[in-house]
Amino acid sequence: EDKVVQSPLSLVVHEGDTVTLNCSYEVTNFRSLLWYKQEKKAPTFLFMLTSSGIEKKSGRLSSILDKKELFSILNITATQTGDSAVYLCAVGWSFGNEKLTFGTGTRLTIIP
Amino acid sequence: DTGVSQDPRHKITKRGQNVTFRCDPISEHNRLYWYRQTLGQGPEFLTYFQNEAQLEKSRLLSDRFSAERPKGSFSTLEIQRTEQGDSAMYLCASSTYSQETQYFGPGTRLLVL
Repeated sequence: EDKVVQSPLSLVVHEGDTVTLNCSYEVTNFRSLLWYKQEKKAPTFLFMLTSSGIEKKSGRLSSILDKKELFSILNITATQTGDSAVYLCAVGWSFGNEKLTFGTGTRLTIIP
Repeated sequence: DTGVSQDPRHKITKRGQNVTFRCDPISEHNRLYWYRQTLGQGPEFLTYFQNEAQLEKSRLLSDRFSAERPKGSFSTLEIQRTEQGDSAMYLCASSTYSQETQYFGPGTRLLVL
């Protein structure tokens, strides 16, 4: 059965710290991996990764995919209180992401 | 440019009642998805439409659940004879056929008493 595992389940750090969130997967016919940020509402899209070794970057957030080892990391540098959220990793299958399989998420709390 | 919208945002109902939720996708998106999310879990896929055709349904979607997208625009998700286990956040997402990123609406939070 397809599986997406995120670690850690929760993380508490001080403002200004750098964090790394992990996502490993076992999915047949892998096509892409997506990262979402979820505050008390809908998940908002961060990145989509399809190729190994190519870093995607947006401001203080960056992500990279390793298709050989079947994992991805999401880095956040110089964290701010507004980064507090649940970060979800999802994997899509071949022939389109008709069904995203999500992990349980990492709850990140930034202490001022 | 408006995002995905869902209505209602919250619904409280008694066990055994029927409920219906609506989702309006981003206007040019021809794919529409329904997910369910319970506390502490990631969203779980329920079903998806390409235009008006329902192309895939999860085993989670029991016969009490039905979804429609009659004109290929908005969609409704109906739950008949609700049970307490149906309490969850119901999320709708949309995408284009060519761009695979799914964009989520704010969700409908259902509480079955």
